[in-house]
Amino acid sequence: ETGVTQTPRHLVMGMTNKKSLKCEQHLGHNAMYWYKQSAKKPLELMFVYSLEERVENNSVPSRFSPECPNSSHLFLHLHTLQPEDSALYLCASSLRGSGGYTFGSGTRLTVV
Amino acid sequence: AQTVTQSQPEMSVQEAETVTLSCTYDTSESDYYLFWYKQPPSRQMILVIRQEAYKQQNATENRFSVNFQKAAKSFSLKISDSQLGDAAMYFCAYRAYSGGSNYKLTFGKGTLLTVNP
Repeated sequence: ETGVTQTPRHLVMGMTNKKSLKCEQHLGHNAMYWYKQSAKKPLELMFVYSLEERVENNSVPSRFSPECPNSSHLFLHLHTLQPEDSALYLCASSLRGSGGYTFGSGTRLTVV
Repeated sequence: AQTVTQSQPEMSVQEAETVTLSCTYDTSESDYYLFWYKQPPSRQMILVIRQEAYKQQNATENRFSVNFQKAAKSFSLKISDSQLGDAAMYFCAYRAYSGGSNYKLTFGKGTLLTVNP
């Protein structure tokens, strides 16, 4: 365990379902991130939260909705997803302005 | 925009031998961080080594070392005495040191390293 916990590890959902991914860290970090990792593509930054405020949204479709209720928790709410949204979703945290990220183990999402 | 390029999609090495993974990047910044991350089949992204651009000395962590060439914008990773547990996808990553987007970690596409017994 690295200190960043993601649940669930695996998720299969239909295109009409609504589900949420959860990320939790107790490292004292003040920035959190969602990345999408698809086969044969670079990791894609989706959202950045700094001090619980969203500071970046990289043209992500509205069917992905992030939420950061406090500095330790980050959610990704999913609804009406498409099969091409199937991927590994990685959460990470860091201290603002310094150093590298600490990653969770990811949620493997399959949309059927 | 910053970009990170890993030109070797796959590499292989014999156990106990040395292998070097290549990475180049493009940036107009003068201060930044560079990282190598390892992602084994367990999917956990693990930080292997980091380098601050203002430091001339190459970073070293046990069997892992880097060759940082700032002028050439090159950041290669050398793994010495390779072990079976080193088999993984390796990602090179860049992060600006300051400015409004200093949170963003930009990754290369990765190099899949196989270690042969």
